[in-house]
Amino acid sequence: AQSVTQLGSHVSVSEGALVLLRCNYSSSVPPYLFWYVQYPNQGLQLLLKYTSAATLVKGINGFEAEFKKSETSFHLTKPSAHMSDAAEYFCAVSVDAGNMLTFGGGTRLMVKP
Amino acid sequence: NAGVTQTPKFQVLKTGQSMTLQCAQDMNHNSMYWYRQDPGMGLRLIYYSASEGTTDKGEVPNGYNVSRLNKREFSLRLESAAPSQTSVYFCASSEVGRDRASYEQYFGPGTRLTVT
Repeated sequence: AQSVTQLGSHVSVSEGALVLLRCNYSSSVPPYLFWYVQYPNQGLQLLLKYTSAATLVKGINGFEAEFKKSETSFHLTKPSAHMSDAAEYFCAVSVDAGNMLTFGGGTRLMVKP
Repeated sequence: NAGVTQTPKFQVLKTGQSMTLQCAQDMNHNSMYWYRQDPGMGLRLIYYSASEGTTDKGEVPNGYNVSRLNKREFSLRLESAAPSQTSVYFCASSEVGRDRASYEQYFGPGTRLTVT
C-alpha cells in the first residue's frame, strides 16, 4: 500500500520569499504523484502532476515540483510567494490510473505581507 | 462544462437521521470517488466506482453506502448519521485507461455535513 507524509501542517513565509512544501511518499511501484491546492471553502484544484516523464514538473501559478526517486520525495516549490498563494496544499500518490488517490495530511501555507 | 457538481452544499443532521449526498459529472468519466476531509488527515477514500455498475470500498467505508446510478451520477448515503461523520465530503471523477500523462482526478466543490 502507498502512503504520503507531508512535513509541517503549517508553513508561514513572507511575501516574496521562497515557498517549500515537503512531501515524501512510499510506493512499491512507480507512482503517479500530484499536488492539489484548496482555497478556503472550495474544492481541490490540480496544481501539477508527475506521471513518469520529466522529473521536474511545472504547474500553474509558478509552482514546480521535483520527483526524486532516491529520496522518495516530491517537494513543491515557488521562488517568490504571493499573498494569493495562501491556501492548503495536498500531496497525493496513486499507483495506477483508475485507482484511488492516497493523500497526505495537508500543509496550510500562510503568506505574511 | 460544469465539471463535477455536488448537492447539497451544506447540511445539518441529528444523530440517527439519514441523507443522500448527490454527485454528477459531465466529463464522460468512467471512474468516480467519494472522499471525506477531516482536519490534519487529508482526504480519505470512502468508496469508489471504477465503472458504471461497480462499486468498491475505500479506506473508511463503515456507516456509508453508495449507488452508481448511471455513468454520470454517484450518490453517497448515510443510513443513520453519527457525530463522527461530521466532515466535508468531496466527490471526484477520472478517466480510466488513458495514458499516464493524462490521468488526474477532478473534484467537486464539497458538501459540509454537521451531525449533532
